[in-house]
Amino acid sequence: GAVVSQHPSWVICKSGTSVKIECRSLDFQATTMFWYRQFPKQSLMLMATSNEGSKATYEQGVEKDKFLINHASLTLSTLTVTSAHPEDSSFYICSARRQVEQYFGPGTRLTVT
Amino acid sequence: GQQVMQIPQYQHVQEGEDFTTYCNSSTTLSNIQWYKQRPGGHPVFLIQLVKSGEVKKQKRLTFQFGEAKKNSSLHITATQTTDVGTYFCAGDSGGSNYKLTFGKGTLLTVNP
Repeated sequence: GAVVSQHPSWVICKSGTSVKIECRSLDFQATTMFWYRQFPKQSLMLMATSNEGSKATYEQGVEKDKFLINHASLTLSTLTVTSAHPEDSSFYICSARRQVEQYFGPGTRLTVT
Repeated sequence: GQQVMQIPQYQHVQEGEDFTTYCNSSTTLSNIQWYKQRPGGHPVFLIQLVKSGEVKKQKRLTFQFGEAKKNSSLHITATQTTDVGTYFCAGDSGGSNYKLTFGKGTLLTVNP
């Protein structure tokens, strides 16, 4: 099946710093990627839809200036958490759509101290 | 906005028992998808249902899509320890802006 990678798989950063997470579709082109946030034992919350060559579409309640998304190419989308705070600590998962299926990356565990 | 409810939140069974999780959408769906997430892992696509009343089987798993295309179920016959994980349904309401709305998931644990 299709493969989506994420980097890094985990990161610890200090409050006030920014963290960039990369999402790559390794064997197919994805014009649309999705960024989710998942709290422990909870569901996936869609944060934004990343569109190649255009601005991302953010879900209600998600601060676009805090969670910067850049879909630079058909195989790469990045999520930058700016001025991170402890409440931003979470599991961030990206996915890419190929035909009807969404293929999820392995996720990035962000811990803000 | 669209809401997708899923019950139960947790289910613990003895190996060999059956298991069912139910999904209900507040709006009519274009299609519904099911995903499985193993502990510590990421969601993996299981199946998509598109037609009203559709039933699909994958070995011991049976998926149903309701006649009104607002509800769905996943039934596992004779559970095994490898079935452990969280099962999510995800509804697509259709339209020009593709977006999946995920249910909260059902965590299945199986006692060997």
